[in-house]
Amino acid sequence: NAGVTQTPKFQVLKTGQSMTLQCAQDMNHNSMYWYRQDPGMGLRLIYYSASEGTTDKGEVPNGYNVSRLNKREFSLRLESAAPSQTSVYFCASSERRGYTEAFFGQGTRLTVV
Amino acid sequence: AQSVTQLDSQVPVFEEAPVELRCNYSSSVSVYLFWYVQYPNQGLQLLLKYLSGSTLVKGINGFEAEFNKSQTSFHLRKPSVHISDTAEYFCAVSSSGGSNYKLTFGKGTLLTVNP
Repeated sequence: NAGVTQTPKFQVLKTGQSMTLQCAQDMNHNSMYWYRQDPGMGLRLIYYSASEGTTDKGEVPNGYNVSRLNKREFSLRLESAAPSQTSVYFCASSERRGYTEAFFGQGTRLTVV
Repeated sequence: AQSVTQLDSQVPVFEEAPVELRCNYSSSVSVYLFWYVQYPNQGLQLLLKYLSGSTLVKGINGFEAEFNKSQTSFHLRKPSVHISDTAEYFCAVSSSGGSNYKLTFGKGTLLTVNP
């Protein structure tokens, strides 16, 4: 029972490089989310997708783009990485928006040097 | 806009002592409330949730929380903690009204249980 799977688990980028974080869920959930976690800041929402074919900005979207490829997959792209994007990134999914629990992946630890 | 305040960033306790982790929220509409736990180098796991009904909610690992609408609080409690409860705990709120269905997290409380 995989749940939410994120790849890669660790990544080091140089400033200006691009990369895509992959996320897939096997629970047939409609909603998917990308968060970043920084010390003392809790989790902050980057982008979310309420359903297949829709995406919306969260609290901290600058420097990121997303793609809801299908119902299972929701990717996060950094076009030109900056040191301020060093963080732990979590993907999550929920059956419906708002009032059902979110299930989280194990996280991607990204360092931009 | 909704927000969550976790009043303590760190809570150290001794094993078998009771603990309370405090959470206050603000929202202009009805809310759903959650507590999540994060063990080191892992993702978040749901401890318990309040959607409606009884204000006392029981979760996994012996934790419980009480929803207090008048005080806009959702404090987490456990009568006797174990070393294995050492983790970071996050309170989260989601609003039921309109399109504001985003899950907003507090900044977390690090619970350290000492022998």
